[in-house]
Amino acid sequence: DSGVTQTPKHLITATGQRVTLRCSPRSGDLSVYWYQQSLDQGLQFLIHYYNGEERAKGNILERFSAQQFPDLHSELNLSSLELGDSALYFCASSAGGGGSYNEQFFGPGTRLTVL
Amino acid sequence: AQKVTQAQTEISVVEKEDVTLDCVYETRDTTYYLFWYKQPPSGELVFLIRRNSFDEQNEISGRYSWNFQKSTSSFNFTITASQVVDSAVYFCALSGRGDSSYKLIFGSGTRLLVRP
Repeated sequence: DSGVTQTPKHLITATGQRVTLRCSPRSGDLSVYWYQQSLDQGLQFLIHYYNGEERAKGNILERFSAQQFPDLHSELNLSSLELGDSALYFCASSAGGGGSYNEQFFGPGTRLTVL
Repeated sequence: AQKVTQAQTEISVVEKEDVTLDCVYETRDTTYYLFWYKQPPSGELVFLIRRNSFDEQNEISGRYSWNFQKSTSSFNFTITASQVVDSAVYFCALSGRGDSSYKLIFGSGTRLLVRP
């Protein structure tokens, strides 16, 4: 158990809908990262937050947004969902402000299925 | 550009065999970090090891060992005396400096099947 929690574990929804994925980092970790794992794209970095501020963006679609709250939990919002958004979404956390010296510990993931 | 290549898509071995998973990386950074993660059938990503680019010493942890060679840009992972519980997808990842330091660049993964 990495100490990172994600809810829900599974989410099934329809095209055009909006969903929110939630992540709680390990106790004491200030950084939260979101990744998407799909069959065709593999594991891809989406976005990084540190202590409430956005620090880096990766291959994140404009239909997707995220935020980190004062209690450090984070939410990833996916809107106008398409079939191709079906994937496993991981949240990871690390102790510091990001940077390669901090190992990222991953949550169990949320499996999103768009029908 | 940064890139991680895991050329072996799938490997199948019989229990107790040794197996090596290959990882080749590309980066222009002089300081960078390499990682291995394990993804068992349950789906979570489990951190295994981190190496920085200045430390080329091989590392051993129980049945696991890692061989880092900057000359060939490789960071290979060997499991000695494999067990059925080692069956998983293994990912090699790279992280650099500056703008590249906030994200992990993952390879496509190697699926390891250990048969009893």
